[in-house]
Amino acid sequence: GAVVSQHPSRVICKSGTSVKIECRSLDFQATTMFWYRQFPKQSLMLMATSNEGSKATYEQGVEKDKFLINHASLTLSTLTVTSAHPEDSSFYICSATGTSGGEMADTQYFGPGTRLTVL
Amino acid sequence: GESVGLHLPTLSVQEGDNSIINCAYSNSASDYFIWYKQESGKGPQFIIDIRSNMDKRQGQRVTVLLNKTVKHLSLQIAATQPGDSAVYFCAENLSGGSNYKLTFGKGTLLTVNP
Repeated sequence: GAVVSQHPSRVICKSGTSVKIECRSLDFQATTMFWYRQFPKQSLMLMATSNEGSKATYEQGVEKDKFLINHASLTLSTLTVTSAHPEDSSFYICSATGTSGGEMADTQYFGPGTRLTVL
Repeated sequence: GESVGLHLPTLSVQEGDNSIINCAYSNSASDYFIWYKQESGKGPQFIIDIRSNMDKRQGQRVTVLLNKTVKHLSLQIAATQPGDSAVYFCAENLSGGSNYKLTFGKGTLLTVNP
């Protein structure tokens, strides 16, 4: 149980284009999903917290107009990197927690990550 | 272990030995802690968790110890195997209630030598 998938696993795009990354909880309903980015040999940095049916909460320093997050259902959240630039190249990882009050409410289960390379 | 700059602390052990990975957390109000394992190019994998009302919890080949007095967390891996080679992160929950936001430590690279 507690499987989270991401698609695509790897994407290469040209500078100025937009890229959408999907995050799905496969066997549970995810009230909350989180988006992280990770640079090589560094820890995970939280970008935003996304609750189903409401606007995402962004961490300080993360541009909400550049990193668009949509959490339209209890099993799907998307991150769109708009007008991507080479400095946006990174490993993007999502995680999900189960419905509030349940056994899985606290623990975040992570997707496999998406490697974005902007040329 | 603590990281310095961008360099991950590293721990190198022989196969079959026990490994101990340490983590100092930042917020004395944190009440939930998780250890994750991250292999190269993959997302973090849940290993074991512990709540602040406990000081020890055991899983399969792993034990987590929590010392709230000094805000210290450790992960012990028994009979370490080559497949345990990865980066290990501790994470703390900084807010209770409905927002389960985690803050991650800087990670420790574990290398298991055959």
